[in-house]
Amino acid sequence: EDQVTQSPEALRLQEGESSSLNCSYTVSGLRGLFWYRQDPGKGPEFLFTLYSAGEEKEKERLKATLTKKESFLHITAPKPEDSATYLCAVQAYSGAGSYQLTFGKGTKLSVIP
Amino acid sequence: NAGVTQTPKFRVLKTGQSMTLLCAQDMNHEYMYWYRQDPGMGLRLIHYSVGEGTTAKGEVPDGYNVSRLKKQNFLLGLESAAPSQTSVYFCASSYSLAGDEQYFGPGTRLTVT
Repeated sequence: EDQVTQSPEALRLQEGESSSLNCSYTVSGLRGLFWYRQDPGKGPEFLFTLYSAGEEKEKERLKATLTKKESFLHITAPKPEDSATYLCAVQAYSGAGSYQLTFGKGTKLSVIP
Repeated sequence: NAGVTQTPKFRVLKTGQSMTLLCAQDMNHEYMYWYRQDPGMGLRLIHYSVGEGTTAKGEVPDGYNVSRLKKQNFLLGLESAAPSQTSVYFCASSYSLAGDEQYFGPGTRLTVT
């Protein structure tokens, strides 16, 4: 069974204090690892897709990396507007021609001015 | 482009009542999905569709039915609502089944009393 574990559950940072969020996974035949941002009362917003170990992607203050067992979302010099819940999801073959996403429970990030 | 839209935004049902949630996308995506999101749990897939007229079960399909009569619309039905179906429901769509990001709607908050 595919599993995705995100840590920590919640993280409070001072503005400008860099940190990393972790997503560890166990899956057979990874097709892709996805990072989403979710603001309160809204749907998840796509950030990154990583396909193979060693891959890295960046967007503004965010950088996502991938190994064979985990992914990190690095946040450099965060601002209060980066406050949100960050979701990690893995996609793998689930049988009968289907590829399904398995989501972690998310990390709630709060950036204090 | 509106992206993915969901109707209604909020709904309160009594146990045993029925309702239909509507999802529409204007990105010409073949694939559409219905998820539910509950506190302390990751997003879970209810049903999905790989094209007009085709649907398939996800992780938690019991108590729900779906239909995809038009490519741009995906309907989620609850025939006899139960309190356990109180949740936030998200619709999503994607260009392909494997490896592409899913685009999410704003969600429907459903309460069953």
